[in-house]
Amino acid sequence: KNQVEQSPQSLIILEGKNCTLQCNYTVSPFSNLRWYKQDTGRGPVSLTIMTFSENTKSNGRYTATLDADTKQSSLHITASQLSDSASYICVVTTGGGNKLTFGTGTQLKVEL
Amino acid sequence: NAGVTQTPKFRILKIGQSMTLQCAQDMNHNYMYWYRQDPGMGLKLIYYSVGAGITDKGEVPNGYNVSRSTTEDFPLRLELAAPSQTSVYFCASSYGGQETQYFGPGTRLLVL
Repeated sequence: KNQVEQSPQSLIILEGKNCTLQCNYTVSPFSNLRWYKQDTGRGPVSLTIMTFSENTKSNGRYTATLDADTKQSSLHITASQLSDSASYICVVTTGGGNKLTFGTGTQLKVEL
Repeated sequence: NAGVTQTPKFRILKIGQSMTLQCAQDMNHNYMYWYRQDPGMGLKLIYYSVGAGITDKGEVPNGYNVSRSTTEDFPLRLELAAPSQTSVYFCASSYGGQETQYFGPGTRLLVL
């Protein structure tokens, strides 16, 4: 069964600190891996998309890595800001891109 | 561009009632999707469409119907609402199956 597991479930950090969120997947066949940010009460917003051949991709202070051999991905947030408080969702796509398996997300809270 | 718009934002239904959730996009995207998000769970695909006149079932299609008569609109129909359909519904669109999906703000549905 295709699964995407994220850790930790929740995380609290101080403003200005860095953090790393983890994603492990068992989805097959693999097409691409996406990270989304979802603010409370809003729809998810795409941060990065990585294909099998990409090891890392950045979007501002967000850097995603992918190890297709171990089926692991991470999202690193640098110099966190209060506006980074959100749920971060890892999504793995199979086939032609129409089959997406969503993780349950990591709830990040950035405090002063 | 307005992006992906959804109406209504919130709705309360009685068991057995029917309703249509509206979704529209002005980005000329071919692909459109309907997801539901239950508390503490990952998003699950209900239906998707790869173009006008073409629809296909996702992971959890039972109790729902869709149509795609135009590129812009992708309404989701609930027939005979049940408490299990209480959820937040997100519509999304993309150029292609491998491309970034853009999400609407969501419709919160409560079935009592």
